[in-house]
Amino acid sequence: AQTVTQSQPEMSVQEAETVTLSCTYDTSESNYYLFWYKQPPSRQMILVIRQEAYKQQNATENRFSVNFQKAAKSFSLKISDSQLGDTAMYFCAFMDHNDYKLSFGAGTTVTVRA
Amino acid sequence: EAQVTQNPRYLITVTGKKLTVTCSQNMNHEYMSWYRQDPGLGLRQIYYSMNVEVTDKGDVPEGYKVSRKEKRNFPLILESPSPNQTSLYFCASNEAQGLSSYNEQFFGPGTRLTVL
Repeated sequence: AQTVTQSQPEMSVQEAETVTLSCTYDTSESNYYLFWYKQPPSRQMILVIRQEAYKQQNATENRFSVNFQKAAKSFSLKISDSQLGDTAMYFCAFMDHNDYKLSFGAGTTVTVRA
Repeated sequence: EAQVTQNPRYLITVTGKKLTVTCSQNMNHEYMSWYRQDPGLGLRQIYYSMNVEVTDKGDVPEGYKVSRKEKRNFPLILESPSPNQTSLYFCASNEAQGLSSYNEQFFGPGTRLTVL
């Protein structure tokens, strides 16, 4: 089974500043997908960004970008120009190329301060 | 609107009283899955289904049952709930037309279950 590790249980950031969330994973597969999900207080799971392992270019979605280091099995999320609405729990997740199961990290709670 | 629905959204029950959490999707997805979310553990897969009448265990299946009699529905059954099944449960669905191309996994709104 794949293991996904998020080593930062909580992070706090001032509005308009940048915060980076770390994620590492363990797999023997070469083809897979990586994701960051946002879970606001409403508990809804919202896909923030995804990365295909075969793509070397780091994915970006507006203020969200990733730093994908395949050899190091690292997948960090950078939130730029943080907004109060970014306050949520963020989960890193892994999907094997041979399966549709998502393996999640423990999550990082991000609080954006006004 | 494409969506995954779950009912109930909140449930408080007592040990041993059988319950069912329903899940339905309107996207004609083949793949459906149940996850539970616990503090410090993230989401873990309970059961999944690749299509009608095809179900299999995930990482934490003990104490749960599922069925897939129709493509759109995938109920989660707790025949004798125990307090350690107090959790937040998510149903999810995915188009399953080959993993060479990415298909987004859609999540339901979650069901908060408390077993006393």
